[in-house]
Amino acid sequence: DIQMTQSPASLSASLEEIVTITCQASQDIGNYLSWYQQKPGKSPQLLIHSATSLADGVPSRFSGSRSGTQYSLKINRLQVEDTGIYYCLQHYSAPLTFGSGTKLEIK
Amino acid sequence: EVQLVESGGGLVQPGRSLKLSCAASGFTFSDYNMAWVRQAPTKGLEWVASISYGGSNTHYGDSVKGRFTISRDNAKSTLYLQMDSLRSEDTATYYCARHHNNYYFDYWGQGVMVTVSS
Repeated sequence: DIQMTQSPASLSASLEEIVTITCQASQDIGNYLSWYQQKPGKSPQLLIHSATSLADGVPSRFSGSRSGTQYSLKINRLQVEDTGIYYCLQHYSAPLTFGSGTKLEIK
Repeated sequence: EVQLVESGGGLVQPGRSLKLSCAASGFTFSDYNMAWVRQAPTKGLEWVASISYGGSNTHYGDSVKGRFTISRDNAKSTLYLQMDSLRSEDTATYYCARHHNNYYFDYWGQGVMVTVSS
């Protein structure tokens, strides 16, 4: 099974700050990596697919990148509504595996 | 507008069975692979199972293999999850999700809670 190691587990940042969340895959998954945001009591929402492509309707301050088997989600100019838990997902092969999540709070 | 609405959750005793449903609308259901993803209380997301658009191919996570069965009725635009031999560790919110052609999840339902307890 492919393991996704996500860091940090939690993050507290100020408004307008830039934050970065990373996921390290245990093997090559190509661009089969997506990012999701989950707000309290809500279902997850797609942010980024194919490692770097912004999902429809997602603000452009969100971006994804890839360096080998390391994937990053960057949020520019952090806003209050960005509070939540962020997950990566590898969909290269079954079993599909999520990262453990990053809880983002606004200071 | 794509909508996925889960139902069938509730409280069930260990060892018993439960069947979840997910009613889909706003898209051609038979064109898409579908999946179930769960989230135990205060925990992260766990993929449970996926099914191909025609229903002929299924995949399961190791923790549910042999106990859960994913199925679909394309005529009714409905996805199912039959859960047998339930355990306390199956307690979770279960989400129905649509696979994009590249297999990521582009739409999710609101979730349905399943509690396994005596």
